[in-house]
Amino acid sequence: AQSVTQLDSQVPVFEEAPVELRCNYSSSVSVYLFWYVQYPNQGLQLLLKYLSGSTLVKGINGFEAEFNKSQTSFHLRKPSVHISDTAEYFCAVSASNSGYALNFGKGTSLLVTP
Amino acid sequence: IAGITQAPTSQILAAGRRMTLRCTQDMRHNAMYWYRQDLGLGLRLIHYSNTAGTTGKGEVPDGYSVSRANTDDFPLTLASAVPSQTSVYFCASSGGSLPYNEQFFGPGTRLTVL
Repeated sequence: AQSVTQLDSQVPVFEEAPVELRCNYSSSVSVYLFWYVQYPNQGLQLLLKYLSGSTLVKGINGFEAEFNKSQTSFHLRKPSVHISDTAEYFCAVSASNSGYALNFGKGTSLLVTP
Repeated sequence: IAGITQAPTSQILAAGRRMTLRCTQDMRHNAMYWYRQDLGLGLRLIHYSNTAGTTGKGEVPDGYSVSRANTDDFPLTLASAVPSQTSVYFCASSGGSLPYNEQFFGPGTRLTVL
């Protein structure tokens, strides 16, 4: 089975500053990796995904993530955050030996202040 | 209807009562999922269905049942609700020819069991 660890439960950051949300995974087979965002009182929305190919993937709203197989990481980054980026962010992993169901991390709460 | 709808939006339920959470999608997706979201625990898979007529158990299936009579609907039933089932429930679906396609989420149902 595979699992996901989000290393920070909360990340406070000032507006226009860069941010990195960390995600590590464990799996014995090839995986597919996702970042989802949840705005207050809403469902989850896909930010970006890594399936294969280039290890740097770009998503919506200026976010990007880099797949690092040797470090089993998939950290999410944005060079300059906005107040509107305040939300809960979830890293998730999917693999062939689990029916491709998503295993989610426990989430990182990003709080952007002026 | 556009995407995934869930009903009710919220519900307060007495312990021991039976409750069905409804989920409908209009994207003709093959796969559908039910998750529960609890503070500090992220999203955990309850049940899933890869295609109409089939269902499977996720990480936390006890106390819940599902059915998939057709492609569009995937109801989740609590036969006899208990306070530990207080949570926010999300329905999701995914489709296409690739098993690791993006999952689309509904807006959620907030359930309180007293």
